[in-house]
Amino acid sequence: DAKTTQPTSMDCAEGRAANLPCNHSTISGNEYVYWYRQIHSQGPQYIIHGLKNNETNEMASLIITEDRKSSTLILPHATLRDTAVYYCIVPLGLGAQKLVFGQGTRLTINP
Amino acid sequence: AAGVIQSPRHLIKEKRETATLKCYPIPRHDTVYWYQQGPGQDPQFLISFYEKMQSDKGSIPDRFSAQQFSDYHSELNMSSLELGDSALYFCASSSTEPATNEKLFFGSGTQLSVL
Repeated sequence: DAKTTQPTSMDCAEGRAANLPCNHSTISGNEYVYWYRQIHSQGPQYIIHGLKNNETNEMASLIITEDRKSSTLILPHATLRDTAVYYCIVPLGLGAQKLVFGQGTRLTINP
Repeated sequence: AAGVIQSPRHLIKEKRETATLKCYPIPRHDTVYWYQQGPGQDPQFLISFYEKMQSDKGSIPDRFSAQQFSDYHSELNMSSLELGDSALYFCASSSTEPATNEKLFFGSGTQLSVL
């Protein structure tokens, strides 16, 4: 899998936008960027994924730079329930199937 | 909507015993993945199955084996348990064959404690 680099931890105030960066400078042209999160001891939860265009769904937005070497996950109005570890994953090759979890970002939403 | 079901939720075993964890994927999902998450660690991929055949293998110990059955449920068999096997074991499923871009749905996990 392409290596990703994320901050170890971040804090955000409740109600504000949480912006989580991820570097994936070795990404190749056909590799997607996936974001998952894990709320304490629960199963990881899919958030969003993208190839080169920005993506938005009911949970978050994903902004991918034009050179695709980095991306930002945006939670527009963070709530206390968004406190979790957020993983940015770039699976190898065409498949998103085998996810290799590296060190994610521990996001804490403060009241 | 139906989710991935794992059983049991909690399991306590003694060293050198055997354990079997079960995973029932979302209906019509044909691919199953197993992950192990030790205390304070990130999930580690163990093994995956597509259409009842092993499709990929990760850091699964030789003491562990797994299979996917005709109804697509999967079982992870763990023998000669060691203290270090104490972990959360997650199962995930997806609806397309491997090497396609599709998201994974995870179960709530089985917490295995080896005493």
